[in-house]
Amino acid sequence: KQEVTQIPAALSVPEGENLVLNCSFTDSAIYNLQWFRQDPGKGLTSLLLIQSSQREQTSGRLNASLDKSSGRSTLYIAASQPGDSATYLCAYSGNTGKLIFGQGTTLQVKP
Amino acid sequence: KAGVTQTPRYLIKTRGQQVTLSCSPISGHRSVSWYQQTPGQGLQFLFEYFSETQRNKGNFPGRFSGRQFSNSRSEMNVSTLELGDSALYLCASSLGQLYNEQFFGPGTRLTVL
Repeated sequence: KQEVTQIPAALSVPEGENLVLNCSFTDSAIYNLQWFRQDPGKGLTSLLLIQSSQREQTSGRLNASLDKSSGRSTLYIAASQPGDSATYLCAYSGNTGKLIFGQGTTLQVKP
Repeated sequence: KAGVTQTPRYLIKTRGQQVTLSCSPISGHRSVSWYQQTPGQGLQFLFEYFSETQRNKGNFPGRFSGRQFSNSRSEMNVSTLELGDSALYLCASSLGQLYNEQFFGPGTRLTVL
């Protein structure tokens, strides 16, 4: 069964902290893994895409890693800001082409 | 470059009615996928269209159908609406290969009364 688990489900941190969001998946045959951000009632914004042959990707204060052998990905957010408050979703694309999503981590960054 | 657009943004319908949602992909993208998002089930895959053909299908009843036009725009139709169909419907577009990045639209919020 294709499953994605995200830990923690919710996280509250003070502004300025560095934090790590975790994502684990059961499927070994993935093509890529994407991290998305979703603000309440809005669509998904793609943050980072890691191809299966890559180990990590960086964009600004965000760094995502991928370890296919252990079925894990992490999203590292440096120097968190209140504007980072949102739900973060990870999803992988397998051989069916559809994205398999986790339930998300809801992040609150307090000023 | 314009992003993925979805219309309408909000819909209110009553049980038994039918509804059609529209998605315009990013220019040059040939694949459009549809997802349903609910608080209880999260994001679930409905179907994917590529070059006017349904290429993948999720585990939804036949009341959910879709199509894609030659300009890659896609429509999703839900017939005989049920209360449980209330959800945020999201479409995503990509170039069409399994390793391509997917880009999502803002969604259509459907409320069934």
